[in-house]
Amino acid sequence: RKEVEQDPGPFNVPEGATVAFNCTYSNSASQSFFWYRQDCRKEPKLLMSVYSSGNEDGRFTAQLNRASQYISLLIRDSKLSDSATYLCVALNTGFQKLVFGTGTRLLVSP
Amino acid sequence: EPEVTQTPSHQVTQMGQEVILRCVPISNHLYFYWYRQILGQKVEFLVSFYNNEISEKSEIFDDQFSVERPDGSNFTLKIRSTKLEDSAMYFCASSLVSYNEQFFGPGTRLTVL
Repeated sequence: RKEVEQDPGPFNVPEGATVAFNCTYSNSASQSFFWYRQDCRKEPKLLMSVYSSGNEDGRFTAQLNRASQYISLLIRDSKLSDSATYLCVALNTGFQKLVFGTGTRLLVSP
Repeated sequence: EPEVTQTPSHQVTQMGQEVILRCVPISNHLYFYWYRQILGQKVEFLVSFYNNEISEKSEIFDDQFSVERPDGSNFTLKIRSTKLEDSAMYFCASSLVSYNEQFFGPGTRLTVL
């Protein structure tokens, strides 16, 4: 079983739509979680950290459910510039390594 | 805004040759990492480095790989004898502390012929 699993998509949405991505993780020792965004052939860029209490940054809201080992990202009012691959990432404390999902591709169209 | 830099952006080499990929992490960061991404696949951890030594490495990071911090600013990844399957994007990352967010450089695309 993959340590971090995501639906690869693509998710095709019109501008202005709300879209949600889900991710599950299998290692209960995972302590910290992040969403990164990756544009084609570019480096992963940190979008936001994910906290158990849920956190919001502008149009982006992230949630963590430790009991279900489930992480979500909600994007409201999608922009064309949101088109990218969204990477769900777990950090295993003590090991310092980030474990990446395969990513979910989002395509926002006019 | 401080950022991680990497050179070269693209490296082409013949199979069996040695390559050195270079990175300059964010200046006050203490933890340094190398990841790789084969085209079309997910990002994979290679190695983490702290206090001038390797703190964790993956199964991919075999004896052909080594890392070094030769001075106060550079962090390098050496592949001693490249194989075709080493072709990938190699990303350097750094973090202030081990449980913090990691920030990635733009990557070096390595092509082994």
